[in-house]
Amino acid sequence: ILNVEQSPQSLHVQEGDSTNFTCSFPSSNFYALHWYRWETAKSPEALFVMTLNGDEKKKGRISATLNTKEGYSYLYIKGSQPEDSATYLCASLTGGGNKLTFGTGTQLKVEL
Amino acid sequence: DTGVSQNPRHKITKRGQNVTFRCDPISEHNRLYWYRQTLGQGPEFLTYFQNEAQLEKSRLLSDRFSAERPKGSFSTLEIQRTEQGDSAMYLCASSLAGAPAQGYTFGSGTRLTVV
Repeated sequence: ILNVEQSPQSLHVQEGDSTNFTCSFPSSNFYALHWYRWETAKSPEALFVMTLNGDEKKKGRISATLNTKEGYSYLYIKGSQPEDSATYLCASLTGGGNKLTFGTGTQLKVEL
Repeated sequence: DTGVSQNPRHKITKRGQNVTFRCDPISEHNRLYWYRQTLGQGPEFLTYFQNEAQLEKSRLLSDRFSAERPKGSFSTLEIQRTEQGDSAMYLCASSLAGAPAQGYTFGSGTRLTVV
Protein backbone atom coordinates (compact mmCIF):
# COMPACT_ATOMS: atom_id res chain seq x y z
CA ILE A 1 0.00 0.00 0.00
CA LEU A 2 1.46 3.32 -1.10
CA ASN A 3 -1.28 5.69 0.07
CA VAL A 4 -3.69 5.97 2.94
CA GLU A 5 -6.98 4.36 1.94
CA GLN A 6 -10.30 4.32 3.73
CA SER A 7 -13.42 2.25 3.28
CA PRO A 8 -16.27 2.49 2.88
CA GLN A 9 -16.48 5.89 1.22
CA SER A 10 -19.89 6.50 2.78
CA LEU A 11 -22.22 4.74 5.15
CA HIS A 12 -25.86 5.19 6.17
CA VAL A 13 -26.91 3.49 9.41
CA GLN A 14 -29.89 3.62 11.71
CA GLU A 15 -29.73 5.09 15.19
CA GLY A 16 -28.53 2.42 17.61
CA ASP A 17 -26.57 0.45 14.99
CA SER A 18 -22.92 -0.30 15.58
CA THR A 19 -20.55 0.30 12.71
CA ASN A 20 -16.89 0.21 11.79
CA PHE A 21 -14.56 1.74 9.20
CA THR A 22 -11.21 0.64 7.84
CA CYS A 23 -8.03 2.61 7.25
CA SER A 24 -5.08 1.08 5.37
CA PHE A 25 -1.69 2.75 5.36
CA PRO A 26 1.91 2.01 4.36
CA SER A 27 3.43 -0.13 7.11
CA SER A 28 7.02 0.91 6.38
CA ASN A 29 8.49 3.99 8.12
CA PHE A 30 5.46 4.16 10.39
CA TYR A 31 5.34 6.90 13.02
CA ALA A 32 1.72 7.29 14.08
CA LEU A 33 -1.87 6.91 12.91
CA HIS A 34 -4.40 9.68 13.59
CA TRP A 35 -8.20 9.57 13.46
CA TYR A 36 -10.24 12.77 13.09
CA ARG A 37 -13.94 13.53 13.05
CA TRP A 38 -15.04 16.35 10.76
CA GLU A 39 -18.55 17.68 11.10
CA THR A 40 -19.95 19.98 8.46
CA ALA A 41 -18.99 23.65 8.97
CA LYS A 42 -16.68 22.77 11.86
CA SER A 43 -12.99 22.01 12.33
CA PRO A 44 -11.62 18.47 12.06
CA GLU A 45 -11.37 17.19 15.64
CA ALA A 46 -8.71 14.74 16.77
CA LEU A 47 -10.18 11.49 18.10
CA PHE A 48 -7.14 9.26 18.55
CA VAL A 49 -3.40 9.22 17.98
CA MET A 50 -2.03 5.70 17.92
CA THR A 51 1.61 4.69 17.75
CA LEU A 52 2.10 1.11 18.97
CA ASN A 53 1.19 -2.11 17.23
CA GLY A 54 -1.82 -3.60 18.97
CA ASP A 55 -2.87 -0.24 20.41
CA GLU A 56 -6.53 0.05 21.33
CA LYS A 57 -8.04 3.39 22.29
CA LYS A 58 -11.52 4.31 23.45
CA LYS A 59 -13.46 7.54 23.86
CA GLY A 60 -17.04 7.00 24.95
CA ARG A 61 -18.80 4.90 22.31
CA ILE A 62 -15.93 5.21 19.83
CA SER A 63 -12.89 2.95 19.82
CA ALA A 64 -9.99 2.21 17.49
CA THR A 65 -7.42 -0.52 16.97
CA LEU A 66 -4.05 -0.47 15.23
CA ASN A 67 -2.01 -3.11 13.37
CA THR A 68 1.24 -1.55 12.22
CA LYS A 69 2.70 -4.77 10.81
CA GLU A 70 -0.04 -5.21 8.25
CA GLY A 71 -0.85 -1.51 7.97
CA TYR A 72 -4.48 -1.14 9.02
CA SER A 73 -6.62 0.47 11.67
CA TYR A 74 -10.30 0.03 12.50
CA LEU A 75 -12.61 2.64 14.00
CA TYR A 76 -15.72 1.34 15.77
CA ILE A 77 -18.81 3.25 16.83
CA LYS A 78 -21.16 1.46 19.20
CA GLY A 79 -24.82 2.44 19.27
CA SER A 80 -24.61 5.19 16.62
CA GLN A 81 -26.40 8.45 17.35
CA PRO A 82 -27.40 11.23 14.90
CA GLU A 83 -24.68 13.44 16.39
CA ASP A 84 -22.11 10.89 15.17
CA SER A 85 -22.90 11.94 11.61
CA ALA A 86 -19.65 13.31 10.21
CA THR A 87 -16.71 12.48 7.96
CA TYR A 88 -14.13 10.31 9.69
CA LEU A 89 -10.60 10.81 8.45
CA CYS A 90 -7.55 8.73 9.17
CA ALA A 91 -4.03 9.98 8.55
CA SER A 92 -0.59 8.45 8.71
CA LEU A 93 2.30 10.46 10.08
CA THR A 94 5.02 10.31 7.43
CA GLY A 95 7.92 12.38 6.13
CA GLY A 96 10.14 11.63 9.08
CA GLY A 97 7.21 12.11 11.41
CA ASN A 98 6.66 15.66 10.21
CA LYS A 99 3.42 15.62 8.24
CA LEU A 100 0.12 13.80 8.04
CA THR A 101 -1.03 12.02 4.90
CA PHE A 102 -4.80 11.70 4.92
CA GLY A 103 -7.20 9.18 3.44
CA THR A 104 -10.29 10.33 1.58
CA GLY A 105 -12.51 9.78 4.60
CA THR A 106 -15.65 7.82 5.42
CA GLN A 107 -18.83 9.88 5.46
CA LEU A 108 -21.22 8.56 8.10
CA LYS A 109 -24.90 9.44 8.20
CA VAL A 110 -26.91 8.22 11.19
CA GLU A 111 -30.66 8.32 10.62
CA LEU A 112 -33.45 8.26 13.20
CA ASP B 1 -6.80 30.23 23.79
CA THR B 2 -9.72 29.78 21.43
CA GLY B 3 -8.08 27.27 19.11
CA VAL B 4 -6.88 27.75 15.56
CA SER B 5 -8.51 30.68 13.80
CA GLN B 6 -8.72 31.13 10.04
CA ASN B 7 -9.88 34.15 8.10
CA PRO B 8 -11.83 34.65 5.99
CA ARG B 9 -14.23 31.71 6.24
CA HIS B 10 -15.29 32.12 2.64
CA LYS B 11 -13.72 33.89 -0.31
CA ILE B 12 -15.13 34.27 -3.81
CA THR B 13 -12.74 35.74 -6.30
CA LYS B 14 -12.46 36.20 -10.03
CA ARG B 15 -9.95 34.20 -11.99
CA GLY B 16 -6.64 36.02 -12.18
CA GLN B 17 -7.03 37.87 -8.87
CA ASN B 18 -4.70 37.41 -5.91
CA VAL B 19 -6.04 36.18 -2.56
CA THR B 20 -4.50 35.93 0.89
CA PHE B 21 -5.65 33.81 3.81
CA ARG B 22 -4.61 34.12 7.42
CA CYS B 23 -4.17 31.49 10.12
CA ASP B 24 -3.69 32.15 13.83
CA PRO B 25 -2.50 28.93 15.53
CA ILE B 26 -2.61 27.95 19.18
CA SER B 27 -0.02 30.21 20.78
CA GLU B 28 2.02 27.43 22.41
CA HIS B 29 2.27 25.46 19.14
CA ASN B 30 5.50 25.90 17.22
CA ARG B 31 4.39 23.96 14.13
CA LEU B 32 1.90 25.23 11.60
CA TYR B 33 0.58 23.35 8.58
CA TRP B 34 -1.43 24.24 5.50
CA TYR B 35 -3.61 21.64 3.78
CA ARG B 36 -5.99 21.84 0.83
CA GLN B 37 -9.10 19.75 0.41
CA THR B 38 -11.03 19.37 -2.82
CA LEU B 39 -14.36 17.61 -3.28
CA GLY B 40 -14.18 13.88 -2.68
CA GLN B 41 -10.58 13.98 -1.49
CA GLY B 42 -8.91 14.01 1.87
CA PRO B 43 -6.85 17.01 2.96
CA GLU B 44 -3.60 17.26 0.95
CA PHE B 45 -0.43 18.59 2.52
CA LEU B 46 0.82 21.91 1.14
CA THR B 47 3.51 23.18 3.50
CA TYR B 48 4.55 23.41 7.12
CA PHE B 49 6.53 25.72 9.39
CA GLN B 50 8.42 25.19 12.58
CA ASN B 51 8.52 28.59 14.23
CA GLU B 52 9.23 30.99 11.35
CA ALA B 53 11.12 28.48 9.18
CA GLN B 54 9.27 26.88 6.26
CA LEU B 55 10.63 23.34 6.41
CA GLU B 56 8.77 21.60 3.61
CA LYS B 57 6.68 22.47 0.57
CA SER B 58 4.61 20.03 -1.43
CA ARG B 59 5.01 19.71 -5.19
CA LEU B 60 1.34 20.73 -5.22
CA LEU B 61 2.45 24.21 -4.22
CA SER B 62 3.10 25.91 -7.55
CA ASP B 63 5.01 29.15 -7.97
CA ARG B 64 1.72 31.00 -7.62
CA PHE B 65 1.45 29.92 -3.99
CA SER B 66 3.49 31.42 -1.20
CA ALA B 67 3.24 31.02 2.55
CA GLU B 68 4.87 32.96 5.34
CA ARG B 69 5.05 32.87 9.09
CA PRO B 70 7.07 36.00 9.76
CA LYS B 71 7.32 35.97 13.54
CA GLY B 72 6.60 32.34 14.20
CA SER B 73 3.04 33.16 15.19
CA PHE B 74 0.32 33.71 12.55
CA SER B 75 0.76 32.57 8.96
CA THR B 76 -0.50 33.79 5.61
CA LEU B 77 -1.08 31.81 2.43
CA GLU B 78 -1.19 33.84 -0.78
CA ILE B 79 -2.35 32.60 -4.15
CA GLN B 80 -1.46 34.80 -7.10
CA ARG B 81 -3.31 34.82 -10.41
CA THR B 82 -5.98 32.42 -9.15
CA GLU B 83 -7.30 29.68 -11.43
CA GLN B 84 -10.54 27.73 -11.21
CA GLY B 85 -8.58 24.68 -10.13
CA ASP B 86 -7.57 26.55 -6.98
CA SER B 87 -11.16 26.34 -5.71
CA ALA B 88 -10.93 24.27 -2.53
CA MET B 89 -11.09 24.33 1.24
CA TYR B 90 -7.79 25.56 2.69
CA LEU B 91 -7.15 24.20 6.17
CA CYS B 92 -4.61 25.35 8.70
CA ALA B 93 -3.48 23.26 11.66
CA SER B 94 -0.97 23.61 14.46
CA SER B 95 0.86 21.24 16.76
CA LEU B 96 3.73 21.04 19.19
CA ALA B 97 6.93 19.51 17.80
CA GLY B 98 8.15 16.67 19.95
CA ALA B 99 4.64 15.79 21.12
CA PRO B 100 3.73 13.00 18.70
CA ALA B 101 0.98 11.64 20.93
CA GLN B 102 -1.05 14.79 20.42
CA GLY B 103 -3.15 15.32 17.34
CA TYR B 104 -3.15 18.40 15.20
CA THR B 105 -5.55 21.22 16.06
CA PHE B 106 -7.32 22.40 12.93
CA GLY B 107 -9.06 25.61 12.06
CA SER B 108 -12.45 25.69 10.36
CA GLY B 109 -10.85 26.40 7.01
CA THR B 110 -11.20 29.02 4.29
CA ARG B 111 -13.36 27.98 1.38
CA LEU B 112 -12.12 29.54 -1.83
CA THR B 113 -14.28 29.74 -4.92
CA VAL B 114 -12.69 31.03 -8.11
CA VAL B 115 -15.23 32.13 -10.72
